Amino acid sequence: AQSVTQLGSHVSVSEGALVLLRCNYSSSVPPYLFWYVQYPNQGLQLLLKYTSAATLVKGINGFEAEFKKSETSFHLTKPSAHMSDAAEYFCAVSFNTNAGKSTFGDGTTLTVKP
Amino acid sequence: DGGITQSPKYLFRKEGQNVTLSCEQNLNHDAMYWYRQDPGQGLRLIYYSQIVNDFQKGDIAEGYSVSREKKESFPLTVTSAQKNPTAFYLCASSTIDRVVNEQYFGPGTRLTVT
Repeated sequence: AQSVTQLGSHVSVSEGALVLLRCNYSSSVPPYLFWYVQYPNQGLQLLLKYTSAATLVKGINGFEAEFKKSETSFHLTKPSAHMSDAAEYFCAVSFNTNAGKSTFGDGTTLTVKP
Repeated sequence: DGGITQSPKYLFRKEGQNVTLSCEQNLNHDAMYWYRQDPGQGLRLIYYSQIVNDFQKGDIAEGYSVSREKKESFPLTVTSAQKNPTAFYLCASSTIDRVVNEQYFGPGTRLTVT
């Protein structure tokens, strides 16, 4: 069975500090991986996606993620946090046989302290 | 502008009443999805549809029903059989025929049942 685990339901960083949100997946076939962001009382929007074209993926708002097959990980990073990055972040996994259906992690709430 | 609309944003109902949540998309996507979001539980799939007049149960379909009479529309009915209906409901859509089919989300409907 395919699954995704986000380590840490809450992460707190200071403004200007490195953001690291962790995601590990379990899969028997090559995965497609996504990070989505959700601001309070809104829907999710896509930050970035891994499609096997490159292991380091750059997304919107200065975020990037690196696919590491040996570690089954797809951690999200940003070098310098802004107050506007405070939100909930979801990692998701899909496969080419799923035709769009994805499995989502439980989410990580990012707090940015001034 | 292409996108997904959900209405209303907030919905209040008395216990024992059925209620229908609207979801419309103009992205020409084949697949549509309904998720339920509760604090700390991430997104849980209720139903999904990949073609008109066909849909499949997700992980928590009990107490819910859907229809897909048009490609653009995928309404969700929360029935009185749903024991804990108060939640944030998200609708999404995606393509199904590309290498990677990320999901696009609507703004959500917050349902409160008392």
